[in-house]
Amino acid sequence: EPEVTQTPSHQVTQMGQEVILRCVPISNHLYFYWYRQILGQKVEFLVSFYNNEISEKSEIFDDQFSVERPDGSNFTLKIRSTKLEDSAMYFCASGGQAYEQYFGPGTRLTVT
Amino acid sequence: GDSVTQMEGPVTLSEEAFLTINCTYTATGYPSLFWYVQYPGEGLQLLLKATKADDKGSNKGFEATYRKETTSFHLEKGSVQVSDSAVYFCALSDLAGGGNKLTFGTGTQLKVEL
Repeated sequence: EPEVTQTPSHQVTQMGQEVILRCVPISNHLYFYWYRQILGQKVEFLVSFYNNEISEKSEIFDDQFSVERPDGSNFTLKIRSTKLEDSAMYFCASGGQAYEQYFGPGTRLTVT
Repeated sequence: GDSVTQMEGPVTLSEEAFLTINCTYTATGYPSLFWYVQYPGEGLQLLLKATKADDKGSNKGFEATYRKETTSFHLEKGSVQVSDSAVYFCALSDLAGGGNKLTFGTGTQLKVEL
């Protein structure tokens, strides 16, 4: 069964450093998303991406964040200058239809 | 804005007990409703969904019915197993609100004991 994959599974970085989180969505999907889950808290929407552009973003997704689909398979989330409060589990999701989303296993980001 | 409210956990049950996890929602439009499950150390898995009123989503013995009149989508299972121990998230997607992001509840941890 096709699935969303994410790399790395765990990323440790120092405050102020740039990180890139990578996702490979399910191959025929058209809608792509990033969410995050701070430890013990609810899952929060960051951004959605469709037709090679951002379709919606939350207030969390400020100028420090960016997304890219550099080729036909990868979907990346970049944080330019990480802060301690960016420590969270980051989930990528993809969907073949607007109301359906399938999640990857997540990347745990630890900012020290 | 859109919101989802779930019953607080943890919920602890004996194996073969009946499970109900309550979920109510507030939405601008006419949302699609979902239950996701997160097993320890894993990501979110879509458990079931319903896209219109009175639809019943079902999977792996779990069921939930979209009740527009009570704005609810309660999750039920007739007989839980130890392997059902996980965190369950209710979520909605409101296309009429201008986007298709998922809005999640806080999650309800379920522990099933022998």
